[in-house]
Amino acid sequence: DTGVSQNPRHKITKRGQNVTFRCDPISEHNRLYWYRQTLGQGPEFLTYFQNEAQLEKSRLLSDRFSAERPKGSFSTLEIQRTEQGDSAMYLCASSRSGGMNTEAFFGQGTRLTVV
Amino acid sequence: DAKTTQPPSMDCAEGRAANLPCNHSTISGNEYVYWYRQIHSQGPQYIIHGLKNNETNEMASLIITEDRKSSTLILPHATLRDTAVYYCIVRVAGYSGAGSYQLTFGKGTKLSVIP
Repeated sequence: DTGVSQNPRHKITKRGQNVTFRCDPISEHNRLYWYRQTLGQGPEFLTYFQNEAQLEKSRLLSDRFSAERPKGSFSTLEIQRTEQGDSAMYLCASSRSGGMNTEAFFGQGTRLTVV
Repeated sequence: DAKTTQPPSMDCAEGRAANLPCNHSTISGNEYVYWYRQIHSQGPQYIIHGLKNNETNEMASLIITEDRKSSTLILPHATLRDTAVYYCIVRVAGYSGAGSYQLTFGKGTKLSVIP
C-alpha cells in the first residue's frame, strides 16, 4: 500500500494525558497537512509542512498542539494535557509541490477519544 | 468560511447517474474546483478537479459552467459504495499567499444511493 498511513487508528486517553500521532505520507510527496474533523463537520485545517518546514498554522492549533516533520518524511502531531474537546478524527494528507497534480491524498485518520 | 454552497443531502437510485451540484459564485480566476468524498469513518478521497474545461476520469465527470460560478459532479452509474459525503472545494492549484494550500471543507452533500 503506497497511500498515506496514520497510526494509531484509534486512541482512547484520559483527560490531562499527552498523546502523539504519526503520519507517513506518500513517499514522493513533499507537502504534508494535518486536519481535524469533529462529528458532523467537514475537516478543518490545522497545519502544513513543505519538507521539514512548518509553513502555516491555523488558529485552531493551540499551544497544547505541536507538529513536527524532522526529516521531511513522516510527521508527528502531539497534544499535551488533552481535554474532552480534543476528541475528534485527526487526518493527515500529503501532496506534491509544483505542476498541476498537487491534489492532496488523505490517510484513514486517527480517532481520538478523551475520557 | 467555505466558498461553496451544496445541498445537504441527495438520494440516487442504484445504477442511475448521480448529479451533485455546487455553487461557487465568488470563485477567482486562479481557483480550481476540487471534489472529494468521504465514506463513513474513512479519510476524504480525492475524486477530480478542474479549472474551466469539463473533466472526466475513471471515477466521475466534472461539468463547470461557462461563467465558472457553478459546477456539477456526475457519477455516471451510482453504486451502493458511492454512498458518502461529497465535498466541493475551491482552491488555487499553486501558491498565492498564506492559506492558499488549505482545503476549506464545508458540510458537503450526503449522497445516499438507494437499492
